[in-house]
Amino acid sequence: ETGVTQTPRHLVMGMTNKKSLKCEQHLGHNAMYWYKQSAKKPLELMFVYNFKEQTENNSVPSRFSPECPNSSHLFLHLHTLQPEDSALYLCASSLRDRGPNEQFFGPGTRLTVL
Amino acid sequence: DQQVKQNSPSLSVQEGRISILNCDYTNSMFDYFLWYKKYPAEGPTFLISISSIKDKNEDGRFTVFLNKSAKHLSLHIVPSQPGDSAVYFCAARPNFGNEKLTFGTGTRLTIIP
Repeated sequence: ETGVTQTPRHLVMGMTNKKSLKCEQHLGHNAMYWYKQSAKKPLELMFVYNFKEQTENNSVPSRFSPECPNSSHLFLHLHTLQPEDSALYLCASSLRDRGPNEQFFGPGTRLTVL
Repeated sequence: DQQVKQNSPSLSVQEGRISILNCDYTNSMFDYFLWYKKYPAEGPTFLISISSIKDKNEDGRFTVFLNKSAKHLSLHIVPSQPGDSAVYFCAARPNFGNEKLTFGTGTRLTIIP
């Protein structure tokens, strides 16, 4: 596997379910990100992790809980979501502190909350 | 309040001609600008970037122009090819917080053969 991978690619869940999104990067990067893309809206940054430490939480509701066990893996734990949380969730990674650090994105998880 | 704006949701261009995608920003703290390209069912892919110390950056068929006084940047693709059909996102970040990207809503470019 190369680049940034995300599983599952599609997820349908009820409002009472608990599920997790997984992201893995094979690029040797040290920063990872979760973004949300809703229809007709720009990508919104949710969380940033640098060297496994969370450095940014962009006012995200607590029903979204990130976890970064190491610099290659990132999870987004979901519980008691709302239908308006249906969106494309994108993971990205970058090499921080090495000049301009373009972010590399995974293919995303298309989430539908019923 | 959207700090990065792409006012054209879609654009159609004849193959071989020039495609010009525009982006405006409002935050004067933005110091570094990027363009990403996205195909359906894939994540955005980095295309080209420009620092505020420059007004032009070129990479093959792609050129980005930055007008800091107007807070405007544009991406030129010439000649346009069918494989360029995709959604293009403009993004910006302040240099001091270099990990926080602010994106525009995207422009869907269609190249007509």
